[in-house]
Amino acid sequence: EVQLEQPGVEVKKPGESLKISCKVSGYSLTSYWIGWVRQMPGKGLEWMGLIHFADSDTRYSPSFRGQVTISADKSISTAHLQWSSLKASDSALYYCAGAVAGTSWFDPWGQGTLVTVSS
Amino acid sequence: QSALTQPASVSGSPGQSITISCTGTSRDVGGHNYVSWYQQHPGKVPKLLIYDVTNRPSGVSNRFSGSKSGNTASLTISGLQAEDEADYYCNSYTSSSPNYVFGTGTKVTVL
Repeated sequence: EVQLEQPGVEVKKPGESLKISCKVSGYSLTSYWIGWVRQMPGKGLEWMGLIHFADSDTRYSPSFRGQVTISADKSISTAHLQWSSLKASDSALYYCAGAVAGTSWFDPWGQGTLVTVSS
Repeated sequence: QSALTQPASVSGSPGQSITISCTGTSRDVGGHNYVSWYQQHPGKVPKLLIYDVTNRPSGVSNRFSGSKSGNTASLTISGLQAEDEADYYCNSYTSSSPNYVFGTGTKVTVL
């Protein structure tokens, strides 16, 4: 069974950097995509971008390109989402979701990381 | 890439059937049979209900069914139950980066 593990909560101040993780277990990463999804309080799901573990092919949503960096480290089976300088408006719930290459659906999902940015 | 359009809310009585629409364009919903649906209860992780327009993963109730016509995909919930009260999102493959787009989300209320 594939599982995605995310830290539960991150609390940061404006201007600080942050890197959150999504650890994959139970599946060969040679043909696996991880997508990052933002959900702001009381709002819907938004794709931020996707990364393919095998070759680090990364695709960003235009809304998030240049605002975040998505990366993957095959050696530790972990994908990352990072910010260099957080803003209060980055406060949200961030999910990672997995998809086998060649399929079009995302399952499973991580439990989500709640990021709070406040001075 | 704009979000796919879903009705903000749909309601029905227990036992009834309801349908949630998901309207896109020929670049997403209409151009591929790669539409999936997710259910999200308050405070919970989204759960896959339907993939590739009509397919149900193992363990998902057969009360949930999907279809597509042109640029609009639909999710039908038959025999509505109280536990179906949740938010529902469609997701489609698209030719625009990052190659997927969600719908705006629909809140289902069981009266």
